[in-house]
Amino acid sequence: DAKTTQPNSMESNEEEPVHLPCNHSTISGTDYIHWYRQLPSQGPEYVIHGLTSNVNNRMASLAIAEDRKSSTLILHRATLRDAAVYYCILRDRDDKIIFGKGTRLHILP
Amino acid sequence: NAGVMQNPRHLVRRRGQEARLRCSPVKGHSHVYWYRQLPEEGLKFMVYLQKENIIDESGMPKERFSAEFPKEGPSILRIQQVVRGDSAAYFCASSPIVAGSTDTQYFGPGTRLTVL
Repeated sequence: DAKTTQPNSMESNEEEPVHLPCNHSTISGTDYIHWYRQLPSQGPEYVIHGLTSNVNNRMASLAIAEDRKSSTLILHRATLRDAAVYYCILRDRDDKIIFGKGTRLHILP
Repeated sequence: NAGVMQNPRHLVRRRGQEARLRCSPVKGHSHVYWYRQLPEEGLKFMVYLQKENIIDESGMPKERFSAEFPKEGPSILRIQQVVRGDSAAYFCASSPIVAGSTDTQYFGPGTRLTVL
């Protein structure tokens, strides 16, 4: 079973920032926090990952709570192309990904 | 600089037939994973392979399903005697040789299997 909890769906207006929350209260010291997203009719794609410190890349930012029991994926300026299901995933030393139900993000024009 | 390739993209089979799904990983990647996504559901891990070895098949149904990743050629997911419940999207992913918690998995576009 997935070890993360995410809202089923969220809405955001186009060109505004989006904050996608994820709770992972049972995270272990060796778990990395990964985010993937799946656009309609496509395979998942990697977004970002981190361990303890906040991370930034060209797609998004990842803010990790100090106790690591929660994190937030931040899309700085959402576009219609960001409408997707976003998965927050904990990965330990195993290589397989355990997907949860994710958050379905709707972008309003 | 091709990504993960899967073929066919769409496959239709009648009950009892065999389905063969192929996956060519990113060039240089030696780890392959297969996932299944039933309609309106999340992705479920099926099997993890390295070249000529099955590393983790904990998500594979015990019967009718098999997977291989030969030394040469693509990885194959084989479903024998398909049933309607096998209708799903099957995604393949690959990752580079460095295994561990930080490796990124690159996913293919999927094969959508429909069993009539």
